[in-house]
Amino acid sequence: SQQGEEDPQALSIQEGENATMNCSYKTSINNLQWYRQNSGRGLVHLILIRSNEREKHSGRLRVTLDTSKKSSSLLITASRAADTASYFCATERGNTPLVFGKGTRLSVIA
Amino acid sequence: KAGVTQTPRYLIKTRGQQVTLSCSPISGHRSVSWYQQTPGQGLQFLFEYFSETQRNKGNFPGRFSGRQFSNSRSEMNVSTLELGDSALYLCASSLEQGFYGYTFGSGTRLTVV
Repeated sequence: SQQGEEDPQALSIQEGENATMNCSYKTSINNLQWYRQNSGRGLVHLILIRSNEREKHSGRLRVTLDTSKKSSSLLITASRAADTASYFCATERGNTPLVFGKGTRLSVIA
Repeated sequence: KAGVTQTPRYLIKTRGQQVTLSCSPISGHRSVSWYQQTPGQGLQFLFEYFSETQRNKGNFPGRFSGRQFSNSRSEMNVSTLELGDSALYLCASSLEQGFYGYTFGSGTRLTVV
């Protein structure tokens, strides 16, 4: 069953613009992770944010976590055509497996 | 260092047959998880192995099974294949839950005809 729900389902922007994707989840978590997937290939781990953290940065990525609202956002700044992919949030809780949302399809137009 | 290796990359099987997929995790990673990805259901958890023991199991029928060997390599088996088993099967390994995230293989694309 899906724990996370990404919003929007699809996003199309111009190169150089910022892209923001949101994720909401239902239960308490230990951490939330974001992954990228290119064209039906394997997923690439982008960033992990723990439940006691509010914001984390990695290069052009910024992730926020609001545990009171059970939501997270992923911001990609200065998007490039190579950022075109599907982005998934996934939650981890205790020893239970990682649970993924359905993803946001991002298209960056050059 | 080498990533997670899944073999084969593509597979076409006939309904009723069985299939075995293989996954070699990153050296030192003892946790291996399997996921099924379809356009309709998204990423669905199949099972997780840790030090040769199944630690978690998803909501899939008994036709889906797996195992992990002492070198942490894992296999999953699907018996009596159905058309609905057509999917991308992804394997992921992790050093330790909660700290590092998971490294995924490129997947095995299974088509059942």
